[in-house]
Amino acid sequence: AQSVTQLGSHVSVSEGALVLLRCNYSSSVPPYLFWYVQYPNQGLQLLLKYTTGATLVKGINGFEAEFKKSETSFHLTKPSAHMSDAAEYFCAVTRYSGAGSYQLTFGKGTKLSVIP
Amino acid sequence: GAVVSQHPSWVICKSGTSVKIECRSLDFQATTMFWYRQFPKQSLMLMATSNEGSKATYEQGVEKDKFLINHASLTLSTLTVTSAHPEDSSFYICSATSGTDNQPQHFGDGTRLSIL
Repeated sequence: AQSVTQLGSHVSVSEGALVLLRCNYSSSVPPYLFWYVQYPNQGLQLLLKYTTGATLVKGINGFEAEFKKSETSFHLTKPSAHMSDAAEYFCAVTRYSGAGSYQLTFGKGTKLSVIP
Repeated sequence: GAVVSQHPSWVICKSGTSVKIECRSLDFQATTMFWYRQFPKQSLMLMATSNEGSKATYEQGVEKDKFLINHASLTLSTLTVTSAHPEDSSFYICSATSGTDNQPQHFGDGTRLSIL
């Protein structure tokens, strides 16, 4: 069974500081991993995904994440936080639900606050 | 990029009425669509998985007679909340995917449903 753990429900950083959002997963098969961002009263926007190949994945808005199989982690980073990065971030792993369908298992989310 | 349109974005209605929410994939064929419910400050809870042309698969605890899902075409799925009551008030989000395991889900902007 697949599961996702996001450490820290709330992370605060200063504008210009490094952003690090942690995600650990559990999967019985090679995982496909995703990071999504959600702004208030909106749906989720895909930031980046890891499927196969290069373990360092670059996404939109300057975010990147590194898949580390030995640590079962997929942490999200950004070198310099911007005020517009304040949002809720969700890590997710794909799981097969049967009948050809693949579902996402989400972490509980991490709210990122950026302090001016 | 892939676009999913969800309509309406906000609904306020009286208790006992039925409400229909539409989810459309605008630039790709969505073999699978998902419906989620999100409570305040929480992660997304999967309600059901819908494959085009077949009956939706509901998650445990979700009343299929309460939440009617139709996926009549490769670009449209609808969720109808029947005889809505105040406890049905929530944020409902749909997503769509082309179906393979490494393809991300693309999310609509959500529907805020308020039942008076």
